[in-house]
Amino acid sequence: NAGVTQTPKFRVLKTGQSMTLLCAQDMNHEYMYWYRQDPGMGLRLIHYSVGEGTTAKGEVPDGYNVSRLKKQNFLLGLESAAPSQTSVYFCASSTPSSGRVHAYEQYFGPGTRLTVT
Amino acid sequence: GDSVTQMEGPVTLSEEAFLTINCTYTATGYPSLFWYVQYPGEGLQLLLKATKADDKGSNKGFEATYRKETTSFHLEKGSVQVSDSAVYFCALSGAGGTSYGKLTFGQGTILTVHP
Repeated sequence: NAGVTQTPKFRVLKTGQSMTLLCAQDMNHEYMYWYRQDPGMGLRLIHYSVGEGTTAKGEVPDGYNVSRLKKQNFLLGLESAAPSQTSVYFCASSTPSSGRVHAYEQYFGPGTRLTVT
Repeated sequence: GDSVTQMEGPVTLSEEAFLTINCTYTATGYPSLFWYVQYPGEGLQLLLKATKADDKGSNKGFEATYRKETTSFHLEKGSVQVSDSAVYFCALSGAGGTSYGKLTFGQGTILTVHP
């Protein structure tokens, strides 16, 4: 049981290049999320998905696209990378717990460190 | 919108010292509250949570009590160890089914414990 995995772990891009970050979970979770972590700002939600084939914008969606073609995978794409997208990206997954509907626990992947030069 | 404010760090303590990291929040209704911990080079792990007023979450010697009247969820530990050195995040998940478990995080507090 690997939990949440992310590939790649590190990547350096030049401005204008594109790339896709892959997140996979083997816990059969319904919900998946992409966050970015920047110094002094905590984690901010980029996009999320509440089920296969569905996606929605989070707090900072500009410059990113996502897809959830399979329940276990959630892809984050950068079509034209910018230096402002230099960050650490975390994927997470969760599923509703019994009882109160919003008492979810999120499980995080190890992160992808992206540098855009 | 929802927001979380944590005490500014970094926090540096000696082993066996008492730890408090303050966290206050702004949200409508009754959110769920969480503390996550991030060890160097790793992703976040859930440390503890509380889902209603006056609930106390606890794990690995850490505790936090959901205080609705002061909108706070302060993290405490009576005796810290070097292995507790990490970044600690306070977070909330909004009330209601349409929150879908989305988390709003504080800025994080770096804790360093010296022998």
